[in-house]
Amino acid sequence: QLRLQESGPGLVKPSDTLSLTCTVSGGSISSTGHFWGWIRQSPGKGLEWIASVYYRDHTYYNPSVKNRVTISIDTSKNQFSLKLSSVTAADTAIYYCARSVIITRFDYWGQGTLVTVSS
Amino acid sequence: EVVMTQSPATLSVSPGQRATLSCRASQSVGSNLAWYQQKPGQAPRLLIYGASTRATGIPARFSGSGSGTEFTLTISSLQPEDFAVYYCHQFNDWPRTFGQGTMVEIK
Repeated sequence: QLRLQESGPGLVKPSDTLSLTCTVSGGSISSTGHFWGWIRQSPGKGLEWIASVYYRDHTYYNPSVKNRVTISIDTSKNQFSLKLSSVTAADTAIYYCARSVIITRFDYWGQGTLVTVSS
Repeated sequence: EVVMTQSPATLSVSPGQRATLSCRASQSVGSNLAWYQQKPGQAPRLLIYGASTRATGIPARFSGSGSGTEFTLTISSLQPEDFAVYYCHQFNDWPRTFGQGTMVEIK
């Protein structure tokens, strides 16, 4: 059974860089046809797709954060990561990592990790 | 970007009754739409993709329909475990976008 697990600091200071890692187990991050992405959910609000990556380094970003975000993949560790720079309180959210079939539906999700931006 | 609008925001339904949730896209997304269920403290769970195909392990009481800009998720007979928030998601255009959710609560 495929499992995804987010890890990273739960508290980030304003203007710093938020860094999260998603570890994939029970399957290969290099599997053909699967993309890996990050989605966030602000407290009490809905879902926002942030970025997706394919193991051949194809990346896709939401324009709302495009100038601040980098997604990368490490096939040797079966992990992918998110970096979001110059964070503000508006970036406070639960961050989920997820797998998508090609770049369509998200069929497997991590449990999510709450990141709070505060001094 | 494609704006996904869900209605109603909250739906009060008695157990055993039918629930009908709507999702409207600001422009056509074809059949490139998915539905997710989210319970408190949990990640979303994929229910429906391709507008009408149930994901693996999803009970037959969940069904999806529609294409273009109008979509519907129907739960034929609500079970206690179905009370949750439901989101639609379009994967036709960039950026991928989600609706704001419909909460299905016990009447």
